[in-house]
Amino acid sequence: SQQGEEDPQALSIQEGENATMNCSYKTSINNLQWYRQNSGRGLVHLILIRSNEREKHSGRLRVTLDTSKKSSSLLITASRAADTASYFCATDGSGIKAAGNKLTFGGGTRVLVKP
Amino acid sequence: GAGVSQTPSNKVTEKGKYVELRCDPISGHTALYWYRQSLGQGPEFLIYFQGTGAADDSGLPNDRFFAVRPEGSVSTLKIQRTERGDSAVYLCASSAISGSYNEQFFGPGTRLTVL
Repeated sequence: SQQGEEDPQALSIQEGENATMNCSYKTSINNLQWYRQNSGRGLVHLILIRSNEREKHSGRLRVTLDTSKKSSSLLITASRAADTASYFCATDGSGIKAAGNKLTFGGGTRVLVKP
Repeated sequence: GAGVSQTPSNKVTEKGKYVELRCDPISGHTALYWYRQSLGQGPEFLIYFQGTGAADDSGLPNDRFFAVRPEGSVSTLKIQRTERGDSAVYLCASSAISGSYNEQFFGPGTRLTVL
């Protein structure tokens, strides 16, 4: 079963616009990660945010985490055609500060950036 | 350095046959994970190895699925008596256990098609 739910399921924007997607989860977490996937193959790790962090930036990416609402958002600023991909959030779901825990993924948001 | 590699990239087999899928993790990574991703969904956890032992195999769907990691590096996922419902992309990931982080690096996946 999948813990996370991404919203929206699909997003179509013009190049240069910002893309925002949200992720909700059900259980307590140790950290939350966002991944990108092109063409249904390997996932590329984008950013990890720990449960005691509220916001994190990496290049054009901004991630927020609200543990009280059990939700996270990923913002891609100034989008490019190359950002077209599926984006997944993943949690370790254990709430225990131990490494090596399995990730539970959401269903993903499919983003199309039109040139 | 080299990332996670998986072979074969594609595997087509007939219902009832036996298949083996191979994963080469990043050198030095002690943790190895197998996930399965069906079309249009997020990856779902199958099994996790810490070193040579399976620390968590709770995601294996039934006893037709088995995985080994005899020397703590390369892992093989084995599926007996394949069924059409086993068709999916099988993803392998590895991580270097470090404190409370659990950043997993994914391979390109093996697309399994059972006819």
